[in-house]
Amino acid sequence: NAGVTQTPKFQVLKTGQSMTLQCAQDMNHNSMYWYRQDPGMGLRLIYYSASEGTTDKGEVPNGYNVSRLNKREFSLRLESAAPSQTSVYFCASVRGDRLSGNTIYFGEGSWLTVV
Amino acid sequence: GENVEQHPSTLSVQEGDSAVIKCTYSDSASNYFPWYKQELGKGPQLIIDIRSNVGEKKDQRIAVTLNKTAKHFSLHITETQPEDSAVYFCAPEWYSGGGADGLTFGKGTHLIIQP
Repeated sequence: NAGVTQTPKFQVLKTGQSMTLQCAQDMNHNSMYWYRQDPGMGLRLIYYSASEGTTDKGEVPNGYNVSRLNKREFSLRLESAAPSQTSVYFCASVRGDRLSGNTIYFGEGSWLTVV
Repeated sequence: GENVEQHPSTLSVQEGDSAVIKCTYSDSASNYFPWYKQELGKGPQLIIDIRSNVGEKKDQRIAVTLNKTAKHFSLHITETQPEDSAVYFCAPEWYSGGGADGLTFGKGTHLIIQP
């Protein structure tokens, strides 16, 4: 049981380059999330998808786009990377259409550096 | 959204002593209160949670207590061991009522167990 799988694990980008972080879950969860984690800032929600075909902005969506490709996959795209997007990114999934006390399952993280 | 504060930001205790981390929240409608543990280089994992109809829950050396009136809940770790060293996050559930939902995480507490 793989749970939540993120790729790539590490990436270095030049300012202005684009890239997509991939995420897949095999638990048949409806909801999926993308967070970024920065020192002293905790986990901040970038975008989420409550169900297949829907996406919504979280706390810090600027500079990002997302695609809920199907129930399993939720990708995060940086169209024009900036040094401020240097961070650790976590994908997560949750059972149910509404987050009603269900456990969040996190991926292992993607370390992104923008130079 | 939810305003979440977690204290302390860093906690250092001697091995074998107890540790307590407190989380305060703002949304009185919150009814689910989990704690996540994040080990170095990994994603957060749920370690214990509590619902609003319960005041305390224990699981071996860890416990969570809830005070809904005061809007805070705490993580208690007894007989601390080196493997308890990690960052701990609280994440009280909020629901906006408009079809959007998610979790707001505290900024985390770095627990250091001194040998």
